[in-house]
Amino acid sequence: GEDVEQSLFLSVREGDSSVINCTYTDSSSTYLYWYKQEPGAGLQLLTYIFSNMDMKQDQRLTVLLNKKDKHLSLRIADTQTGDSAIYFCAESIRGDTGRRALTFGSGTRLQVQP
Amino acid sequence: DAGVTQSPTHLIKTRGQQVTLRCSPKSGHDTVSWYQQALGQGPQFIFQYYEEEERQRGNFPDRFSGHQFPNYSSELNVNALLLGDSALYLCASSFTSGSETQYFGPGTRLLVL
Repeated sequence: GEDVEQSLFLSVREGDSSVINCTYTDSSSTYLYWYKQEPGAGLQLLTYIFSNMDMKQDQRLTVLLNKKDKHLSLRIADTQTGDSAIYFCAESIRGDTGRRALTFGSGTRLQVQP
Repeated sequence: DAGVTQSPTHLIKTRGQQVTLRCSPKSGHDTVSWYQQALGQGPQFIFQYYEEEERQRGNFPDRFSGHQFPNYSSELNVNALLLGDSALYLCASSFTSGSETQYFGPGTRLLVL
């Protein structure tokens, strides 16, 4: 079955880089996502990567994908207090009907110390 | 351009009651997916609607049902509510082409007493 694993908690100092890691299991998934959730809010799409890519950079965000190890990471450069939130890794899996649904990890809580 | 909207924002029900949650997709999107997020967990896929039909379903009982309207908006219905149905219900919309990237609404927080 499909399973996405993330570490539960990460604490960094303001200005440092944060690296959030994720492992996934479905080798057929072609899109992998990072979403951010602030307290009491919905999920905000941060970025995604297609499985034929190794890296994607978008301003302060860098996504690295290691398909061999089924490992995905999100690096946030110059982390700010406003980055404090829960970060979810998700894989997009095509079901029996050909439609895509997301399977999420349990989320990594990022705490940024001033 | 409005993003995904959901109503109501909060809801309190008692066990055994029925509830209907509503979702309007992002402009240009034709597919709506529903997820349940229990406290402290990641979202779990309930089902997905496209062309007014349920196209895919996660591991949820028949008490969970839905509908999609011609304007692509959608409803999630839950019958015979259980205490364990208390959660944040998230709606996501997407376009059925390319990456099918899903954009989420703010959610409806349901409390079952």
